Amino acid sequence: DSGVTQTPKHLITATGQRVTLRCSPRSGDLSVYWYQQSLDQGLQFLIQYYNGEERAKGNILERFSAQQFPDLHSELNLSSLELGDSALYFCASSRGTDTQYFGPGTRLTVL
Amino acid sequence: QQQVKQSPQSLIVQKGGISIINCAYENTAFDYFPWYQQFPGKGPALLIAIRPDVSEKKEGRFTISFNKSAKQFSLHIMDSQPGDSATYFCAAGHSGGYQKVTFGTGTKLQVIP
Repeated sequence: DSGVTQTPKHLITATGQRVTLRCSPRSGDLSVYWYQQSLDQGLQFLIQYYNGEERAKGNILERFSAQQFPDLHSELNLSSLELGDSALYFCASSRGTDTQYFGPGTRLTVL
Repeated sequence: QQQVKQSPQSLIVQKGGISIINCAYENTAFDYFPWYQQFPGKGPALLIAIRPDVSEKKEGRFTISFNKSAKQFSLHIMDSQPGDSATYFCAAGHSGGYQKVTFGTGTKLQVIP
């Protein structure tokens, strides 16, 4: 158990809908990262927050947004969902240095 | 500059054999090189990491070899076991601060009995 929690574990929704994925980092970790992993694909970095501020942006679509709250939990919002958005979404946290600890992921299925 | 190239994409090794996965990076400012192991349906987990001040680091059956001049590093799994079957990701980043780590594309390892 990495100490990073993600909810929900599974999410099934329809095209055009909006969903919110939630991540709670390890205690004391200030950085939160979001990744997308499609079937048998690598980890696509989406976005990083550090202590509430956006620090780095990857290949995140405009339909996607994220934020990190004062209690350091983070939410990833996905809107106008398309079939191609079906994937595993991982959150990772770190103390702002190097090692990232990954959560168990949220499996999103868009029908 | 931020790319990390990983090979092979997939690997099949006999039980007891040596699994070797290679990675190359471009950014000479990288000073932290972790390897992650991911089982199907699970999140990646840190396996072993190395910094460029050493050329090799060993933890049990897992060894990272690092060649700073060639900007390459590799993971060796000795005496590979079926339980090692997983996807392995190399990564490169900066220790300290809050910069993100760049991941390789992953290697799917299958160890057959």
